[in-house]
Amino acid sequence: EDQVTQSPEALRLQEGESSSLNCSYTVSGLRGLFWYRQDPGKGPEFLFTLYSAGEEKEKERLKATLTKKESFLHITAPKPEDSATYLCAVITGGFKTIFGAGTRLFVKA
Amino acid sequence: DGGITQSPKYLFRKEGQNVTLSCEQNLNHDAMYWYRQDPGQGLRLIYYSQIVNDFQKGDIAEGYSVSREKKESFPLTVTSAQKNPTAFYLCASSILAGGGGTDTQYFGPGTRLTVL
Repeated sequence: EDQVTQSPEALRLQEGESSSLNCSYTVSGLRGLFWYRQDPGKGPEFLFTLYSAGEEKEKERLKATLTKKESFLHITAPKPEDSATYLCAVITGGFKTIFGAGTRLFVKA
Repeated sequence: DGGITQSPKYLFRKEGQNVTLSCEQNLNHDAMYWYRQDPGQGLRLIYYSQIVNDFQKGDIAEGYSVSREKKESFPLTVTSAQKNPTAFYLCASSILAGGGGTDTQYFGPGTRLTVL
């Protein structure tokens, strides 16, 4: 069964304390993996798309990487405004989109 | 401004009523999607449409209906047959890649539906 699992469910960091969020997947073929940021009560905001193992993308304090089994979202020197829920989604070989449950990130000043 | 709009932002429904959620996009995207989001769960696909006058059921279509009469619009009706409709509803759109590629879905701001 196709599955996407995000860990941890919640992560509390001090401002400046770098860390990583994980998205592991078991799917029948991978066409693409997406990362989104979601603030409370709002729609997800697109961050990155990754298509193949070894690919990396960066935006400000965020860096996304992809292997054959998982993706990491690395957050370098986070700030309080980085606090949000980060969602991972996979599009399978059958063009089905599967979302993980998300990681809630709290960054304290 | 190009984007996806959803209305209303908040919606309250009495049991036994049908309600319709609006989704409009001016991005000239071919595909549109409806998702439901519940606390602690990933987004679940309700319906999607890749072309006008055509749509397909997602994983949780029971109790919902859609129409796609215009490229820009993809309204969702939550019927009285949906037993637990209280949730956050998200509309998304994407272009369709040729040759089997994968395109990013962009989301609207969402509608929170509460059953009284």
